[in-house]
Amino acid sequence: GENVEQHPSTLSVQEGDSAVIKCTYSDSASNYFPWYKQELGKGPQLIIDIRSNVGEKKDQRIAVTLNKTAKHFSLHITETQPEDSAVYFCAASMGREAAGNKLTFGGGTRVLVKP
Amino acid sequence: DAGVTQSPTHLIKTRGQQVTLRCSPKSGHDTVSWYQQALGQGPQFIFQYYEEEERQRGNFPDRFSGHQFPNYSSELNVNALLLGDSALYLCASSLDPTPVGNTIYFGEGSWLTVV
Repeated sequence: GENVEQHPSTLSVQEGDSAVIKCTYSDSASNYFPWYKQELGKGPQLIIDIRSNVGEKKDQRIAVTLNKTAKHFSLHITETQPEDSAVYFCAASMGREAAGNKLTFGGGTRVLVKP
Repeated sequence: DAGVTQSPTHLIKTRGQQVTLRCSPKSGHDTVSWYQQALGQGPQFIFQYYEEEERQRGNFPDRFSGHQFPNYSSELNVNALLLGDSALYLCASSLDPTPVGNTIYFGEGSWLTVV
């Protein structure tokens, strides 16, 4: 089955700096890659996603890049703010034909933005 | 527009007991998946329901079962509870995925503690 690895496990940045989280996946059939932010005691919140027909996507201070050849994708957060502090998860899934949109998650990255 | 709603938010059960967790998907969504998230880990896929049938299942024992109702809401049942079943149980909803995968939204989860 699919395996997703995520690095780093913890990330501490100064407010205003950028944060980068990297994920690799194992199954070349994966074609949908969402990123979730999870605050303490809450469920995962979708922040951005990318599909395999796109190499990069940006939404304000957040961007995601995808390299299908290397089977890795990354989350970039610019101008970090204290409210960006949370655990971030990457995930991968295949379409209905292969796996019914089941998500396989990475292990998570705990991001701390220091004021 | 209501998002994914889950109940109860917290519960405590004794080893050997049975538990039922409930989920209402986001308005317009017809596919419900359940995930287990142990402390400090990423969510793990349990199973997915579409058209009132279990369409796909993760690596979980038969003690975990579910149901989807005609209004698309869903229940997760766990029998013969073990201490290791203590976790956050997340419900996720989406539209029946296209080949590229539809966006998946999570609820806030149900915290289960087994003592």
